[in-house]
Amino acid sequence: GAGVSQTPSNKVTEKGKYVELRCDPISGHTALYWYRQSLGQGPEFLIYFQGTGAADDSGLPNDRFFAVRPEGSVSTLKIQRTERGDSAVYLCASSLVLAGIGEQFFGPGTRLTVL
Amino acid sequence: DQQVKQNSPSLSVQEGRISILNCDYTNSMFDYFLWYKKYPAEGPTFLISISSIKDKNEDGRFTVFLNKSAKHLSLHIVPSQPGDSAVYFCAASALGSGGSNYKLTFGKGTLLTVNP
Repeated sequence: GAGVSQTPSNKVTEKGKYVELRCDPISGHTALYWYRQSLGQGPEFLIYFQGTGAADDSGLPNDRFFAVRPEGSVSTLKIQRTERGDSAVYLCASSLVLAGIGEQFFGPGTRLTVL
Repeated sequence: DQQVKQNSPSLSVQEGRISILNCDYTNSMFDYFLWYKKYPAEGPTFLISISSIKDKNEDGRFTVFLNKSAKHLSLHIVPSQPGDSAVYFCAASALGSGGSNYKLTFGKGTLLTVNP
């Protein structure tokens, strides 16, 4: 069975540009999460989807960041007017259970470099 | 403000010996704790977890101990194997308003090296 996949694996862009990062969760997983891991840090929570709706977007750093999951499966994290400080590995995870404790399965991440 | 702290950036042990990785937390609302293992260029992989109603959980060579009064947990790996060499992250969550432990707060990780 396929795990969580993320594309692209690497993205290099210039300051000020717009980028989209894609996440394909494990089939049937209703919950989807985005995290950001900066160099030397652990992953930091960005946003959580339950189905199509963002149940908690409290981790998004500012309004340049936006994420969608229109059909309740694939999700796209969108970053406008990228800054050098946005450089990090962006991790996506998905889980099966709707409530209570659910193990989160992580993808390999997208390494974003903003020059 | 780091709510989950892993104060040892690295640990080196000999194959066959015990590895002990430590984690401290400050948020008393945390009620579920997890350990993840991460190899280079891969996402974190779930290893073992423990609920705050327990003080120990064991799974094969891996045991997690929780000391709520000290806000401290540890991961024991016995015996350690070279394939265990990876970065280990401690993570914690608190019961959200939706009834789901979904928002994980991670420590910075500890790089474990098991020498043959």
